Amino acid sequence: SQQGEEDPQALSIQEGENATMNCSYKTSINNLQWYRQNSGRGLVHLILIRSNEREKHSGRLRVTLDTSKKSSSLLITASRAADTASYFCAPDETDKLIFGTGTRLQVFP
Amino acid sequence: GAVVSQHPSWVICKSGTSVKIECRSLDFQATTMFWYRQFPKQSLMLMATSNEGSKATYEQGVEKDKFLINHASLTLSTLTVTSAHPEDSSFYICSASDRDAESYNEQFFGPGTRLTVL
Repeated sequence: SQQGEEDPQALSIQEGENATMNCSYKTSINNLQWYRQNSGRGLVHLILIRSNEREKHSGRLRVTLDTSKKSSSLLITASRAADTASYFCAPDETDKLIFGTGTRLQVFP
Repeated sequence: GAVVSQHPSWVICKSGTSVKIECRSLDFQATTMFWYRQFPKQSLMLMATSNEGSKATYEQGVEKDKFLINHASLTLSTLTVTSAHPEDSSFYICSASDRDAESYNEQFFGPGTRLTVL
């Protein structure tokens, strides 16, 4: 099994700023997914990027994938207080997601 | 669409008792369901993967006799924590996917069940 490692572990920003979170993984993947978790709640799927894709957008989210460096990044533009949550990357190798420790994002109004 | 529910949302039980947690896919057929546990401020740890009609595949270090998983239908999976002890207190989350669907890679997560064992 492999694990996505997120960086930074915690991030605090002001509303309107952009937030960037990075993820590194260890072996070949079919795709990589990003999830969000509000405190004490279940996970919400944000975006899936396949191994043959380099960039993907969804609303204020932008995800990049560099398979040569085994890394991905999640950019949230124009952040809002409601974006406060933990964000996890999950490399998908064999249809099994192994989550990293996550980035705790705090957006101050 | 793609809603997954869990019941109960929280449960408190005495040490030594068994607790059953249900995971239901409400609007799609879940050929595969996953069970995770999460300790405070930590990541989700995959416990087991279950395919409808077959035995669950447990991750290394997870006791199959303690955490009984049943996936008898395409919309329901259950996790039973047998002879629960305080160290089993955790947040248990299920997810579901449909391997026959175009979005089969995506897992849809339930809201989680908070288990506290006294």
